[in-house]
Amino acid sequence: DAGVTQSPTHLIKTRGQQVTLRCSPKSGHDTVSWYQQALGQGPQFIFQYYEEEERQRGNFPDRFSGHQFPNYSSELNVNALLLGDSALYLCASFRNNEQFFGPGTRLTVL
Amino acid sequence: EDQVTQSPEALRLQEGESSSLNCSYTVSGLRGLFWYRQDPGKGPEFLFTLYSAGEEKEKERLKATLTKKESFLHITAPKPEDSATYLCAVQAVGGGSNYKLTFGKGTLLTVNP
Repeated sequence: DAGVTQSPTHLIKTRGQQVTLRCSPKSGHDTVSWYQQALGQGPQFIFQYYEEEERQRGNFPDRFSGHQFPNYSSELNVNALLLGDSALYLCASFRNNEQFFGPGTRLTVL
Repeated sequence: EDQVTQSPEALRLQEGESSSLNCSYTVSGLRGLFWYRQDPGKGPEFLFTLYSAGEEKEKERLKATLTKKESFLHITAPKPEDSATYLCAVQAVGGGSNYKLTFGKGTLLTVNP
């Protein structure tokens, strides 16, 4: 049983560019959350998707947007990248109050 | 606003030297308290969920306990492979908070052979 998968593993972008990160949830999981983890910090909640709709959002600007597909996979889009967006982006899938995280995508903004 | 504070920030132990990590939390109503292990550059690995004060869960050398204000992760006779960052998170009940996890900054555990 494959766990949560994310792609790409690493990504380097320059300021002002746009980026799309992808996530496939654990089999049987229908809810996906995205988190941003800066170096030395705990993960910060960005938003959660359920039934292809954004169910809850954390304190992140509108530059951060997402989408969930009918097969429950999800995308995180970040527009107009800033240096401060450099972080590990984590996807988590959720069922029965257990959240399982993927390996993350390391985004570096130069 | 939900808050989670973990202590100490870093802990060095000798192999076999038991200790505890602390997670203090403030939340309007607790739906669940989560413990994760995270290795450098990787995603958090789920360890436990605790739901009510007095609850305890064990996995190998790890034991998690919960009170109304804090949780402890006890590590018995640790081995070098237990070295990692341990993250604590809370999930609140109701309102707009009952789907997200609020994390602490973590405790970096190093176990020397």
